[in-house]
Amino acid sequence: DAMVIQNPRYQVTQFGKPVTLSCSQTLNHNVMYWYQQKSSQAPKLLFHYYDKDFNNEADTPDNFQSRRPNTSFCFLDIRSPGLGDTAMYLCATSRPPAGRGGDTQYFGPGTRLTVL
Amino acid sequence: AQSVTQLDSHVSVSEGTPVLLRCNYSSSYSPSLFWYVQHPNKGLQLLLKYTSAATLVKGINGFEAEFKKSETSFHLTKPSAHMSDAAEYFCVRTYLAAGGTSYGKLTFGQGTILTVHP
Repeated sequence: DAMVIQNPRYQVTQFGKPVTLSCSQTLNHNVMYWYQQKSSQAPKLLFHYYDKDFNNEADTPDNFQSRRPNTSFCFLDIRSPGLGDTAMYLCATSRPPAGRGGDTQYFGPGTRLTVL
Repeated sequence: AQSVTQLDSHVSVSEGTPVLLRCNYSSSYSPSLFWYVQHPNKGLQLLLKYTSAATLVKGINGFEAEFKKSETSFHLTKPSAHMSDAAEYFCVRTYLAAGGTSYGKLTFGQGTILTVHP
């Protein structure tokens, strides 16, 4: 089945120790998104790639970076995690927004990151 | 502002009774609207989607939603709740730039936690 896969599902890291989260997709979608979801909150978009074009949200901290080496993979790098970065990180994909209305985003299962 | 308001943060029902989760949106343009469900420690699963076709949208697991432009509402319903429906539900809309073009961004409601009692 076509799907969005995230690894690892759970990650524990120490304060200030860089961490990389992985997302892969078999849907062949052009757009990949990274969201941060803190406890009892809605997901918050960090950035997205439209093919190789990177689009950062204005309020995404510089501590968060992303790489997309090919269509299938996208990585979220947190350079120096703080305690406040403890959250669920969700990857999603979609076809290009089809003009009016856009298109559906398909989410992976998420990576739960804990920063100690 | 392009917002989504979920009118209840928590809804509690008994198994076998109807479910109603309320959602209102605001926009100058008719957006695409979605309902997603999120079980604990899981990703978001699409329940259903409205994109200006039929106003009554049927989704998975017996859920449906009705788009009412006059009320700017998109409430989610299910005739009979099951224990497995206990989860958090998000009403979501596409973000529309001027002229009605979507750039793929979503605006989320704050979520409604559904509890189902035996």
